[in-house]
Amino acid sequence: GAVVSQHPSRVICKSGTSVKIECRSLDFQATTMFWYRQFPKQSLMLMATSNEGSKATYEQGVEKDKFLINHASLTLSTLTVTSAHPEDSSFYICSAASHRGIPRETQYFGPGTRLLVL
Amino acid sequence: KQEVTQIPAALSVPEGENLVLNCSFTDSAIYNLQWFRQDPGKGLTSLLLIQSSQREQTSGRLNASLDKSSGRSTLYIAASQPGDSATYLCAVQTDSWGKLQFGAGTQVVVTP
Repeated sequence: GAVVSQHPSRVICKSGTSVKIECRSLDFQATTMFWYRQFPKQSLMLMATSNEGSKATYEQGVEKDKFLINHASLTLSTLTVTSAHPEDSSFYICSAASHRGIPRETQYFGPGTRLLVL
Repeated sequence: KQEVTQIPAALSVPEGENLVLNCSFTDSAIYNLQWFRQDPGKGLTSLLLIQSSQREQTSGRLNASLDKSSGRSTLYIAASQPGDSATYLCAVQTDSWGKLQFGAGTQVVVTP
């Protein structure tokens, strides 16, 4: 199957700093990417959907000014957590889908990024 | 609003026993239902995808059923092995772009 990578896998930062997480589709063109967060022992919660070349669509309750999403190319989407606080500590997972050739229901998930804000 | 529930939250079985994991959803207007496996601190591995028009899917020791009208899906894992220990998540696709609504998962431990 297709491969999706995330970088970094783990990051520790100080409160108030910004952190950028990259999500890359390595062998296919991802027209749509999804960003999820997962708290310990809880399920994945969709944060936003981003389509290449357009603004991301955020889920209710997700601050778009705090979680900046950029999907500038068909292989790369970035999530920037701005002015991070300890409550932003979580596991962030991206997934990628292509609406060209691959069925829309096929999403490929990245390995996740563990963010710890001190 | 679609809600996805998984019962039980945790399950421990001895090796060789069959596993039965349950998933229920409140809105039957789904595109498909998927089962994923997640190992600790890792991303998701897709196990099975059942289209809304299908009743079941099988892959090796795994079999998943879907009853859309009652809002239920069951994942069966035959002859469990210690390597099956993981958290199993079900998710329903709620729109044509691929938006997924996840359950909280069932944490499975298979003891040797």
